[in-house]
Formats: sequence, C-alpha cells, structure tokens
Amino acid sequence: EVQLVESGGGLVKPGGSLRLSCAASGFTFYYAWMNWVRQPPGKGLEWVGRIKAKADGATTDYAAPVKGRFAISRDDSKNTLYLQMNSLKTEDTAVYYCTTDDDDSGRALNVWGQGTMVTVSS
Amino acid sequence: QSVLTQPPSVSGAPGQRVTISCTGSSSNIGAGYDVHWYQQLPGTAPKLLIYAASNRPSGVPDRFSGSKSGTSASLAITGLQAEDEADYYCQSYDSRLSGYVFGTGTKVTVL
Repeated sequence: EVQLVESGGGLVKPGGSLRLSCAASGFTFYYAWMNWVRQPPGKGLEWVGRIKAKADGATTDYAAPVKGRFAISRDDSKNTLYLQMNSLKTEDTAVYYCTTDDDDSGRALNVWGQGTMVTVSS
Repeated sequence: QSVLTQPPSVSGAPGQRVTISCTGSSSNIGAGYDVHWYQQLPGTAPKLLIYAASNRPSGVPDRFSGSKSGTSASLAITGLQAEDEADYYCQSYDSRLSGYVFGTGTKVTVL
C-alpha cells in the first residue's frame, strides 16, 4: 500500500525553526518527485515547494512566501522527505501535507499524507 | 493569493447535476498546463479526483467528470449524493510563478 506519513509538527514561537519529516512506503521513492502543500486553519490549499528525483537533478522550487526561509531535502536511503522551516511567521500556521508528483498523471499530486499541524504563536 | 478562481460554494439536491468552474490565465491553464481536481472531505486530507483535465484515477466514480477550454476548466458531478458534500480544488502549474497553484476552493452542499 502506498503511504505517506508526516511528523514533526508542533508549537513554535515566531522566528523559530522546525523540521518536518515525511516517511514514504509502498512505491519507489528514489524516482518520485515530492511536494509539500499546506492549509491554514479554515482556508484553502497552498503549494509550498517541490523536490525532483535525484535522477532529475534533485532540484527544488518554492512558493514566493517561503522562498529563502524553507528548504526541502530528501534522504532516498531512508525513503524520507524533509521540510526545514526557519524564521517562522504566524502566517505559516497550517496543516502541512507531503504529496507525490506523478508523471503518468500529468504531474498530479496523486498520493497525500494525513498532514501534520504547525502552529506559530508566542 | 490564489491565481485560479472558483465559486465559493455550489449546492444541489440529491440526484441533481452541479458544475464547478476554475478560471485561470495565459500563464497557467491557458498555456496548456494540465489541470487537476481534488476532493477534500471534512477533516481529511485532499484526494485526487480528476487528473489532466478529464481523467479519473482508479476507484473514482464516473459521476465525476472534468473538462478544459481556453483559460478555464470545470468539474461536473452528476447524480449528486450526500457523500459528495466536500471542498473541491482545482490545481495547475503557473509559468510566471514557476510553481504549482491551487484554486480558491468550492464547498459543495447537498440540500
């Protein structure tokens, strides 16, 4: 069964840092393009960023609101995706989902984790 | 700030047909990038509903269909059921922003 499980969420003060993890199973993680998507409480979905597979250069792209503060990385030996979040702001409060990015479906986000909540508050 | 615009809400009685529009621009849908639709049931993670404008993943009922024309796309639900009550989001790629973009989201209510 294809599965993504996020962890690492919690309460952090403005200006602080947090690292989220996403453990993948049931598919060949090495070839997967992976994304982070977030959803503030009661609001819509917002794409955070993406990392391509190592075979495609493992390049990263980020949404403007997080560029320069967030960093996506991957450890293919552990089938794990990471999101390092620095200089956190109150507006970063959201549920953070990791998702796969599937070439066969036109780069649709075809598998989602259950999400992990990040609260930025003093 | 979403670059894909959807109506905030649509509603219909059981058995009826409802449609949700997704309006973009020349840097996303109009540029030929694929459009995808997601369903988010209350308290759960989003789920892929339609990919590449009109294709259903395995397991998605054929009551759900999608289309695309010009700078817009639409999702139709025929034979509306109580279990379809959820939030629906469109998504594409935007060349100006160099990243994925989501629609503003539409809440479907079954009367």
